[in-house]
Parts: sequence; C-alpha cells; structure tokens
Amino acid sequence: GAGVSQSPRYKVAKRGQDVALRCDPISGHVSLFWYQQALGQGPEFLTYFQNEAQLDKSGLPSDRFFAERPEGSVSTLKIQRTQQEDSAVYLCASSPRTSGALQETQYFGPGTRLLVL
Amino acid sequence: AQSVAQPEDQVNVAEGNPLTVKCTYSVSGNPYLFWYVQYPNRGLQFLLKYITGDNLVKGSYGFEAEFNKSQTSFHLKKPSALVSDSALYFCAVRAPDRGSTLGRLYFGRGTQLTVWP
Repeated sequence: GAGVSQSPRYKVAKRGQDVALRCDPISGHVSLFWYQQALGQGPEFLTYFQNEAQLDKSGLPSDRFFAERPEGSVSTLKIQRTQQEDSAVYLCASSPRTSGALQETQYFGPGTRLLVL
Repeated sequence: AQSVAQPEDQVNVAEGNPLTVKCTYSVSGNPYLFWYVQYPNRGLQFLLKYITGDNLVKGSYGFEAEFNKSQTSFHLKKPSALVSDSALYFCAVRAPDRGSTLGRLYFGRGTQLTVWP
C-alpha cells in the first residue's frame, strides 16, 4: 500500500516488559513523527526525525522511551519497563519534506494500541 | 506556545442538515491549521488545511472550513451531513515557535460527530 503502516496494531504487555513499535512511512518521505494519544485525548507529540537524524525528542515522557530511524526510513519506538500510564495509541506520521515546510501535510498510520496490565 | 481548543465534546445533527464543528487556536506567529478525522480503530485521515489566501478552504468529502483571524477560529463545516460522516474530528495547528521544533502539530481534544438518519 501507499500509506503509512504500523505494527503491531495491538499490543498487550505486562508491567515491566519492554515493547517495540514499528512504523513504515510513505516511501521517500523525509520527515517522521511519533505521537501518543491517550484515551479521550488528542494526539501529543513525542519525537521527530528528519531522515535518520532525531532532531526533536522533547515530547518523550521519560528516559524509558527511545526512538530510532537508523536508515532514514523505518522507525522503531521502544518503551522499556512499561508502566500502566504508558497505555495509549501510538501514532506515526510522515511528510514529504523537512519540518521547516510548515504547510506540509502529515499522513498518519493506523496506530498501535498498547495496553499495559 | 501553541494550543487548540475544541469547545464541544459532541455534536449531534440530523442527516441532511448543515453541520459545524468548532475550533479556536492560540499561536505566536502565522497559523497553519489542519482538520483530521478519525474513524474507530483507524489513524487520522487528513481533511483540509489553511496555509494562506482565501479564508474559506475546501477539502475532502464535501467538508470546508472558514479561517477567521480576528476570532482566531477555524470551524469545520458541511452543508449537508451524511450518516457516514459520524466520526471523531480533530483540529490541529502548527506555527513557528522559537526554541521548538517547527514540525509538531498541536491537537485539540477532538469532537465526536454523530449524524443520525
């Protein structure tokens, strides 16, 4: 498909377990964003990549959250020692150019719904 | 700082009637405004955006939005609602923000639109 894909779509983790969430952006898209959407809330920014460079990670809630995009395409969001408050939908978005192009549309994937028990 | 407010958690309209979903924003600098729609268990789908120019923006599926700078609003409208328009709608804003990424979107909490037959 031509859209952003994410896997897994659903993940149940026991508290303290590590999880890894994958994002495949639209081919050729330079910018990649991760957002966290808690139940009943709008998405909130986590981190931003321009190609393989992580230019902004100011939204990551704690040092248990780590993201990478080593080859400038696929990205992985890793959460270590998961806590119940990490339960949310994690959305990935990509856009064609750099973040400086403010008019750029971000295209979102279907999200990964994480439930921490 | 940038922020978006969607004052209504829910909007209910009858099929065939006009609909309005409200959004107000607060930004430093010129705003870039977006509307997204979210269907159950799916990601955010882009509807339309305001960058510059005509204050009335037309988007997908017959939706349009009116940018009003004096009222700092960007309300989503449709002349004749369909049952299939029932979904969760998010307003979002981007703007230059000194010391922050240029790329992130700031979302409202969302408005649940229900169109009944």
